[in-house]
Amino acid sequence: KQEVTQIPAALSVPEGENLVLNCSFTDSAIYNLQWFRQDPGKGLTSLLLIQSSQREQTSGRLNASLDKSSGRSTLYIAASQPGDSATYLCAVSWAGNNRKLIWGLGTSLAVNP
Amino acid sequence: KAGVTQTPRYLIKTRGQQVTLSCSPISGHRSVSWYQQTPGQGLQFLFEYFSETQRNKGNFPGRFSGRQFSNSRSEMNVSTLELGDSALYLCASSRDRGLGTEAFFGQGTRLTVV
Repeated sequence: KQEVTQIPAALSVPEGENLVLNCSFTDSAIYNLQWFRQDPGKGLTSLLLIQSSQREQTSGRLNASLDKSSGRSTLYIAASQPGDSATYLCAVSWAGNNRKLIWGLGTSLAVNP
Repeated sequence: KAGVTQTPRYLIKTRGQQVTLSCSPISGHRSVSWYQQTPGQGLQFLFEYFSETQRNKGNFPGRFSGRQFSNSRSEMNVSTLELGDSALYLCASSRDRGLGTEAFFGQGTRLTVV
């Protein structure tokens, strides 16, 4: 069964700290992996999309890496700010699931001023 | 350009009623997917439409249905509502069904069944 797991479920850090969010998945034959951000009661904002042929993607202070062989992706946030406080979700697309996204339960991040 | 638009934003319905939710994708996008988000289960895939045809379906009962119109707008219908249907319903828009196509989400419709 194809599953996505995110650890930790919640994280609280002081402003300015660099942090890493983890996403692990079963079955390395993925199409792509996306990281999303969700603010309370809101929809999802796409942060980074990593294709199966890529090792990492960067956008501003965010860097996402992909290691298919170990079934892992990490989202690195540099110099965290209070505005980064949100839930971060990882979603994976596999060939066997006809491209639908399978989701982790997310990491709830609080960055304290 | 405008993002994905979902209407209404909030709904309160009574058990047994039916409800229709609407999603307008980004202009030029032809694929629309629907997801249900609950605190305990997270995000779960409902179905995907492309070119007015359902291409993929999740593990939800037949009370959940949808359709897509020629302008790519999509509607989702839930009949005979149950308390457990209370959730945030999210719509995702993609340009096409190609490998690695990025998904963009709307703000969601929060449905409360009482």
